[in-house]
Amino acid sequence: GENVEQHPSTLSVQEGDSAVIKCTYSDSASNYFPWYKQELGKRPQLIIDIRSNVGEKKDQRIAVTLNKTAKHFSLHITETQPEDSAVYFCAADKGGYQKVTFGIGTKLQVIP
Amino acid sequence: EAQVTQNPRYLITVTGKKLTVTCSQNMNHEYMSWYRQDPGLGLRQIYYSMNVEVTDKGDVPEGYKVSRKEKRNFPLILESPSPNQTSLYFCASSPGDFTGELFFGEGSRLTVL
Repeated sequence: GENVEQHPSTLSVQEGDSAVIKCTYSDSASNYFPWYKQELGKRPQLIIDIRSNVGEKKDQRIAVTLNKTAKHFSLHITETQPEDSAVYFCAADKGGYQKVTFGIGTKLQVIP
Repeated sequence: EAQVTQNPRYLITVTGKKLTVTCSQNMNHEYMSWYRQDPGLGLRQIYYSMNVEVTDKGDVPEGYKVSRKEKRNFPLILESPSPNQTSLYFCASSPGDFTGELFFGEGSRLTVL
């Protein structure tokens, strides 16, 4: 089955700096790669996603890149703010009603 | 309001006492799934359902049962809970088309003594 590795597990950055979280996956059939943000005590919520036919996607301060050859995708957050502090999960999905596999999560702390 | 509703939100029970965590969605989603979240292990899928009467095992199905008799409901059943099932549980749903986004419930924190 699919295996998703995510690192780092914890990340501290100064406010205004950039943060990068990296994930690798094992199943070349995966074609959808979402990122979820989970604030303390809350449910995970989708913040950005990318499909296998796209190499990069941006939404304001966040961006995701995908390298299908290397089976690697990353989340980039620029100009970090304290409200970016949360746990971020990457995931890989084969689509077609198949199960989604998550990484272990990255706890991001933005220091004011 | 579009939502996924789980109940109970918090539960403390004892080993062996059967319990059910309910999940209901009002978005007419075809796909529903259950996850457990444990420190250092992330979100692990327990079971998922592609449609009514169609369910399949995820990565950690042992000790759990599910049913999907109606499109909107997907209860998680612990027939004989054990302490290693103490966890935070999330139900999620998705339209089932190529959108992919999972809509999560608020979570159910279960403690088995």
